[in-house]
Amino acid sequence: DVKVTQSSRYLVKRTGEKVFLECVQDMDHENMFWYRQDPGLGLRLIYFSYDVKMKEKGDIPEGYSVSREKKERFSLILESASTNQTSMYLCASSLSASGTYEQYFGPGTRLTVT
Amino acid sequence: GENVEQHPSTLSVQEGDSAVIKCTYSDSASNYFPWYKQELGKGPQLIIDIRSNVGEKKDQRIAVTLNKTAKHFSLHITETQPEDSAVYFCAASKGGSGGGADGLTFGKGTHLIIQP
Repeated sequence: DVKVTQSSRYLVKRTGEKVFLECVQDMDHENMFWYRQDPGLGLRLIYFSYDVKMKEKGDIPEGYSVSREKKERFSLILESASTNQTSMYLCASSLSASGTYEQYFGPGTRLTVT
Repeated sequence: GENVEQHPSTLSVQEGDSAVIKCTYSDSASNYFPWYKQELGKGPQLIIDIRSNVGEKKDQRIAVTLNKTAKHFSLHITETQPEDSAVYFCAASKGGSGGGADGLTFGKGTHLIIQP
């Protein structure tokens, strides 16, 4: 079974702090994604990566950056956390092989910025 | 960019009845349409998906239909059971065409409630 794990289920940070959210997948997937989920808005893509050290902006990248130094690990960074970044953050991964598009999601990290 | 609209936002059906959730998309280049189920406290899990070269796909009590001309696709759940209660999301993407990854654009979700 594919497993995507996220470093924390719940996180509370203060405004202005630098925040790191970590995601690890164990199935050698090339592609990794970060989404945020807010009530009534669904999931929105922040950043994704299709290879080590490669990154692409999603629909809402402002205020975030990412790092992918190893194939299995994808980090989301909030340089200076703000209250409007309080949300559920979901990491996902997928294979690059042609015709295999399924994304596997982790359990999520609920971040509260006070 | 892509825009996905999903209706209804809440759907309540009697156990044993059918449930239908509808989505429309805007980008004609989208070619992959998955449906995810999210239970409380968990990440979304894929339940069925369809590619643009197929009009319908079925897996036991779940089916998805796609109308490329009208740019809409629907999820059908028959003989609903209490464990079907969850939030369902539709999504669309270009499926990594061009050799790279492509993120999913999600609808806002449907809270499906199965009444006993």
